[in-house]
Amino acid sequence: AQKITQTQPGMFVQEKEAVTLDCTYDTSDQSYGLFWYKQPSSGEMIFLIYQGSYDEQNATEGRYSLNFQKARKSANLVISASQLGDSAMYFCAMRPTDSWGKLQFGAGTQVVVTP
Amino acid sequence: EADIYQTPRYLVIGTGKKITLECSQTMGHDKMYWYQQDPGMELHLIHYSYGVNSTEKGDLSSESTVSRIRTEHFPLTLESARPSHTSQYLCASSGSGWGHSNQPQHFGDGTRLSIL
Repeated sequence: AQKITQTQPGMFVQEKEAVTLDCTYDTSDQSYGLFWYKQPSSGEMIFLIYQGSYDEQNATEGRYSLNFQKARKSANLVISASQLGDSAMYFCAMRPTDSWGKLQFGAGTQVVVTP
Repeated sequence: EADIYQTPRYLVIGTGKKITLECSQTMGHDKMYWYQQDPGMELHLIHYSYGVNSTEKGDLSSESTVSRIRTEHFPLTLESARPSHTSQYLCASSGSGWGHSNQPQHFGDGTRLSIL
């Protein structure tokens, strides 16, 4: 069974600074996908970034980048130049290739960006 | 931007009522999912569907039921609501085809359900 671990329940970060959100996973599968989602207080889930297990380069999407270390089974999200609107809950999720699309989510990390 | 819609956005209702939470998507996705999430907590998969007339129970046991008569529609029903059903319910969909493993799930805005 797969398991996603996010060890940081909450973090404060100052505006314009970078923040790293930790995510480790446990799987015996060789092929899988890793996802990060943002959930503001309004409740919707917003897809941020994807990393495939066979991708050689770390994924980037604007201010979001993923620090993928396959051997350590970690997929940390880096948010650069934090903005007040980045305050939200962030979830890491994993999908094995043969899971027919099902995602396993971590417990989430609450980020609060301060002026 | 993803086109997946959930109604109602908020629902406060008494114990014993029958409830149907609506979820529709216009992307033609074959896979659809329902998650239950308590405030500040992780998401738990309660139902999923691979296509029309296909429904499966998720990892978290739920008293709710689902149906998939049309590709775009995946409603969730509670026959007799109880206070323990109070939670947020999120619907999602994802596509298939080549490279389907990298297809993100697109979520609706969720329904916040409160049973009195």
